[in-house]
Amino acid sequence: KAGVTQTPRYLIKTRGQQVTLSCSPISGHRSVSWYQQTPGQGLQFLFEYFSETQRNKGNFPGRFSGRQFSNSRSEMNVSTLELGDSALYLCASSLTNFQGKYGYTFGSGTRLTVV
Amino acid sequence: KNQVEQSPQSLIILEGKNCTLQCNYTVSPFSNLRWYKQDTGRGPVSLTIMTFSENTKSNGRYTATLDADTKQSSLHITASQLSDSASYICVVSADGTSYGKLTFGQGTILTVHP
Repeated sequence: KAGVTQTPRYLIKTRGQQVTLSCSPISGHRSVSWYQQTPGQGLQFLFEYFSETQRNKGNFPGRFSGRQFSNSRSEMNVSTLELGDSALYLCASSLTNFQGKYGYTFGSGTRLTVV
Repeated sequence: KNQVEQSPQSLIILEGKNCTLQCNYTVSPFSNLRWYKQDTGRGPVSLTIMTFSENTKSNGRYTATLDADTKQSSLHITASQLSDSASYICVVSADGTSYGKLTFGQGTILTVHP
């Protein structure tokens, strides 16, 4: 069965531009969460969607936004890019939005470089 | 505040040797603890998951232990291989919470030399 698919794998953008990243969860999974990973900060939670609704949001500025579609695919958008937004953006999908016996699976990530 | 601390930050070993990575956490109420392996530029891949009642879990050459009393976990890698070179991340989740409430360690970067 197909894993979590993130597109594109690599992206180079200029400061001030905006970017949209895509995440297709494992078939049947309804929860998608997004994370930013940088060498200095490690993995940081951005937001989580379940059944098209944002359930949790991390401590990131409003330039970071997301949405989830009826087929559970999710997108995240970053507007007015800054150099500090350069990072590996990971999404993870799960059957439900609660911990416990249900696991979550990460995608391979999108490497965003802002120049 | 929920926290996960991993040690050491980085580790270099020779191929064939064993090593142990540590994870201390202060997440409450505890639900489960997972160890992930992350190759450079790739997403984390789950190695083991342990709940409160589990002390040891193995996955091939990887063995994770959990002491819920002292809130410590370790990941032991036996007979290391060059492909074990990666970052190992300890992730702890609190009971009944959504995926937005995971607490991540900073990871241990393991380098295996021939």
